[in-house]
Amino acid sequence: DAGVIQSPRHEVTEMGQEVTLRCKPISGHDYLFWYRQTMMRGLELLIYFNNNVPIDDSGMPEDRFSAKMPNASFSTLKIQPSEPRDSAVYFCASRSSGAYGYTFGSGTRLTVV
Amino acid sequence: AQKVTQAQTEISVVEKEDVTLDCVYETRDTTYYLFWYKQPPSGELVFLIRRNSFDEQNEISGRYSWNFQKSTSSFNFTITASQVVDSAVYFCALSEAKGNTPLVFGKGTRLSVIA
Repeated sequence: DAGVIQSPRHEVTEMGQEVTLRCKPISGHDYLFWYRQTMMRGLELLIYFNNNVPIDDSGMPEDRFSAKMPNASFSTLKIQPSEPRDSAVYFCASRSSGAYGYTFGSGTRLTVV
Repeated sequence: AQKVTQAQTEISVVEKEDVTLDCVYETRDTTYYLFWYKQPPSGELVFLIRRNSFDEQNEISGRYSWNFQKSTSSFNFTITASQVVDSAVYFCALSEAKGNTPLVFGKGTRLSVIA
C-alpha cells in the first residue's frame, strides 16, 4: 500500500493566485480529513468527508477555501485567492470507519509570498 | 467538546536522560481513543500508539512507555534513555468513538535531546 499521497510536496505561489492541493487516500478508506498546521494554531481540522460527502467544514477559515471529493480516490483543497497568512503545512489523512487508525500523508508545505 | 492539552511547549534534555511528555484530555464520550504522534524535523506525522478508553493498561514498546489514567484524564508518554534521534515534536490526540469524530490534537511538545 502506497499510503496517503499528497501533491505537491512544496508549493510557492504569489498572493492572489489560486492554489490547489491534492490528496489520494488509501484504497478502501471511507473517511478523508484535511488538516492545516501552523506555528500559532497547531494542527487544526479544516474539513472531513465520509463516503465522498463533506460532513463538517466548520474549520474552513473562509470562503476562499473550498474542498471537493469527486470520488473515493481523490480530493482537492483549493484556495482562491491565496494570501500570505495561508502559508502552512496542509495534511491529508484517511481512515476506515470503525478502525480508528488514521494514516497521514506527507503534507504539502504552502508558501504564499 | 473535545480538548487535548499539552502544557509543555518545549523540553530539552541531555542524551540518556528519561523524559515524560504530559497529555491531559477532555471528552464527554465514554468511548474514545487516544493517540501519540511524532513529527521529526522532516515534517511527516509518525503514528506511535493508539489506546482505547476501556484499556487502562500501561504499554511499553522498547524505550517508549505510555501511562493512561482515566481518573486524571491523562495519557502521558515517557522516553527512557533518550537519544538525539528522539528530537521531534510530539502530539497527543483524541478521537471520540461516537459519531466517528475526527482527531483533535494538542498543541504539541517540542523535545530536544542534546548530545
